[in-house]
Amino acid sequence: GAGVSQTPSNKVTEKGKYVELRCDPISGHTALYWYRQSLGQGPEFLIYFQGTGAADDSGLPNDRFFAVRPEGSVSTLKIQRTERGDSAVYLCASSLSGGYTEAFFGQGTRLTVV
Amino acid sequence: QQQVKQSPQSLIVQKGGISIINCAYENTAFDYFPWYQQFPGKGPALLIAIRPDVSEKKEGRFTISFNKSAKQFSLHIMDSQPGDSATYFCAARASDSWGKLQFGAGTQVVVTP
Repeated sequence: GAGVSQTPSNKVTEKGKYVELRCDPISGHTALYWYRQSLGQGPEFLIYFQGTGAADDSGLPNDRFFAVRPEGSVSTLKIQRTERGDSAVYLCASSLSGGYTEAFFGQGTRLTVV
Repeated sequence: QQQVKQSPQSLIVQKGGISIINCAYENTAFDYFPWYQQFPGKGPALLIAIRPDVSEKKEGRFTISFNKSAKQFSLHIMDSQPGDSATYFCAARASDSWGKLQFGAGTQVVVTP
């Protein structure tokens, strides 16, 4: 595809449920990032993958959050036992490699926990 | 705590005017400073970026000014147009933390016709 694709675009879930958010990066991009953006705030870093491995997961808020990228392309962000405070837009970005290469963002998945 | 402080929170400018957004940081390990533009319902898009070895970078109507000693950088939008109405974020990244961009809180810019 032409850009970073995130599915679903919107997700409403009940408190306590499990959700998976998917990110399809730009083809050939080895670096992939997840951010979370609350209303009126800047994106907040969650995790960064270089290839299949998580190079930096220091932004994951707690052990309910987990992300994988098993084949070095598509990534899934998994949230267990969702809480109302998890409601936000989850953004995925990819870049050709790490370092100073430009990161391209998807349009995000809006997660609402009711 | 927020590692990059951005101001103002919002700004209204007339068409043809200059929009100025300021950011400040404390972490001297930061060595990459991008600016992003975000429209409602879209992800952020890179506008322009600077590294601390230069004091100014210009791309079209967008200019970054960088003051290393003051640990401040700013975005100037010259000849502002209604299509520039968006939220702008400054960000910074440390050389030992490639994947982690630290974003400011954002500035909502409205350009009136």
